[in-house]
Amino acid sequence: DQQVKQNSPSLSVQEGRISILNCDYTNSMFDYFLWYKKYPAEGPTFLISISSIKDKNEDGRFTVFLNKSAKHLSLHIVPSQPGDSAVYFCAARPGGSNYKLTFGKGTLLTVNP
Amino acid sequence: SQTIHQWPATLVQPVGSPLSLECTVEGTSNPNLYWYRQAAGRGLQLLFYSVGIGQISSEVPQNLSASRPQDRQFILSSKKLLLSDSGFYLCAWSVGGSSGKLFFGSGTQLSVL
Repeated sequence: DQQVKQNSPSLSVQEGRISILNCDYTNSMFDYFLWYKKYPAEGPTFLISISSIKDKNEDGRFTVFLNKSAKHLSLHIVPSQPGDSAVYFCAARPGGSNYKLTFGKGTLLTVNP
Repeated sequence: SQTIHQWPATLVQPVGSPLSLECTVEGTSNPNLYWYRQAAGRGLQLLFYSVGIGQISSEVPQNLSASRPQDRQFILSSKKLLLSDSGFYLCAWSVGGSSGKLFFGSGTQLSVL
């Protein structure tokens, strides 16, 4: 049972345009959500996060939106740059202190010059 | 600053051979430690996590085991590798107050032939 779903395995956008990566979850106990970025043969690096008490968090070109009623979150990258090309993982965790993250399968973003 | 070391970067092993992957964390005390695996075409799957020396929790039944002989050392092992053990193995750490943010090592690409 996949609790965090990224239904688009890949996304291709033009440089300068907006990239929108989507993520859905099924576990209503999740209260914290994170996005990680991963380049080939490297470990994922943290990008941005959002708590369930918020519906938006912005950090530079990156904005994460959370719709709790729809159990849906999205990552917006504006403007997209070729260096943003990577696999993006959505992750979530329930309340508590063990910090076990459940990850989606990832979306490969390609930003074309 | 905190750093995480994971080695080796790549490993090719025959079926039935043993495995030992090591991970060490520097610059922090009493971290939570994790082993994740990314199999081909799949997301990041949590294999083991540890909240302290000698304390290991297994998330999925499998052919692997983990040990934490020291506070900042986490070892992933197998007595006999299977073909299905192939994948990209990632060690990660977190500490309380980081809101679930994980910091990943650079990963080990394991190919079992």
